[in-house]
Parts: sequence; C-alpha cells; structure tokens
Amino acid sequence: DAKTTQPNSMESNEEEPVHLPCNHSTISGTDYIHWYRQLPSQGPEYVIHGLTSNVNNRMASLAIAEDRKSSTLILHRATLRDAAVYYCILRRVSGRDDKIIFGKGTRLHILP
Amino acid sequence: DAGITQSPRYKITETGRQVTLMCHQTWSHSYMFWYRQDLGHGLRLIYYSAAADITDKGEVPDGYVVSRSKTENFPLTLESATRSQTSVYFCASRRLAGGLDTQYFGPGTRLTVL
Repeated sequence: DAKTTQPNSMESNEEEPVHLPCNHSTISGTDYIHWYRQLPSQGPEYVIHGLTSNVNNRMASLAIAEDRKSSTLILHRATLRDAAVYYCILRRVSGRDDKIIFGKGTRLHILP
Repeated sequence: DAGITQSPRYKITETGRQVTLMCHQTWSHSYMFWYRQDLGHGLRLIYYSAAADITDKGEVPDGYVVSRSKTENFPLTLESATRSQTSVYFCASRRLAGGLDTQYFGPGTRLTVL
C-alpha cells in the first residue's frame, strides 16, 4: 500500500491560515487522497478528499500537486476548535480490498 | 437518530477473559471497520467487512475475531484478552454516494485489560 508522510506536529496562530503538508511519492493513478481529523477524545471525522484537481468544501481546501506526489490541506482561518490530529490517507480500491490505513498524522496546535 | 454507536463506552476486564465490543450503524452502509488507537500510534486497522458475511484482516488482526451476520452490526471479540490489547477501539462505516466517499466513526470504546 502507498504510504503518506506528514510532520508530527505543527503550530499556528488563531485566525491565520494553516497549510498541512502530506507527501505520497508512491501514489498510484487510482489512489484518492483523503483527509480526516480527530478532535480530542473523539473519533476521526472526514474533512475532504480529491483525486487530481483541487477541492474546496465548507471545512477546508485540498491542493494537489500536479504530479500528485504531495498535497496540502488548507484551513483558511484556523480557530481553537481546529486543534486536532490531521490524517492524510490514500485510499486504494482494488475489488473487495478496500482498506483505509491511517498513519500517525499531524498534531495541529492553535495558539490564541 | 441515525448514526454509528459503540457499546460499551468503557470496559475493564482481566487477562484471559473474553470481551465483545459492539458496533451498530443505522445507515445500512456496506463497509464497516474496526480500528485500535494507542498512545504514540495512529489508528491501526484490525478488521474490516465489505458486506454481511464478508470480513477481511487489517494490519493487526491477531487476537481478535469479528463477525457480520447483519449489515448493521459488526461486533469485535477478544477471545482471550491480553494487556497489550488495552486500547481505545473505534468502529467505522463507509458511505459511498453522490461522489462522496466518507468514513463515519463511532465515539470509541476504551478498554482496559488488567
């Protein structure tokens, strides 16, 4: 399975944009890039996903490099409630083998 | 309310005992998953199921057994609990619809094995 690499932790100031990087140099053509986040004492929640084009939703934006070997999750204006662990995941579908493997993620600290 | 629930939320047991963690979803999603999360690790996949009566091993299946006789339920059994199985366990289901591909997670079960 293709792996992702993320920084262990990042800090950002409240109300400023945050760019969370993810490297996935062994990504295959059919791998989707998904982002989830896990708030303290909660289960993970879906943030966004994409294949080739940049994506926007109400929570965040996803910028995907042209060669797809890296991507960046963008929180446009971080709040204290965005402090969480953010997971970048590649989802590969191969018949019935549809595992979603999480790495260690990036712990995002928001400074007031 | 629709959603994914886990029970119990907290469980303390002793080494060697059998423990079953329950997971129930009301959406009729085909896929369901079990993960464990330990300090210093991210989420690790234990087992998953593509549909009723279809299950597959994940990254760390040893010591666990699953079944899926009904679409909405996906119980996880520790047949003989060990201290190394002390962890927080998350169940999830997967929704595929309208171009969205999303996993929904339950609130977790915190299991302590003494």
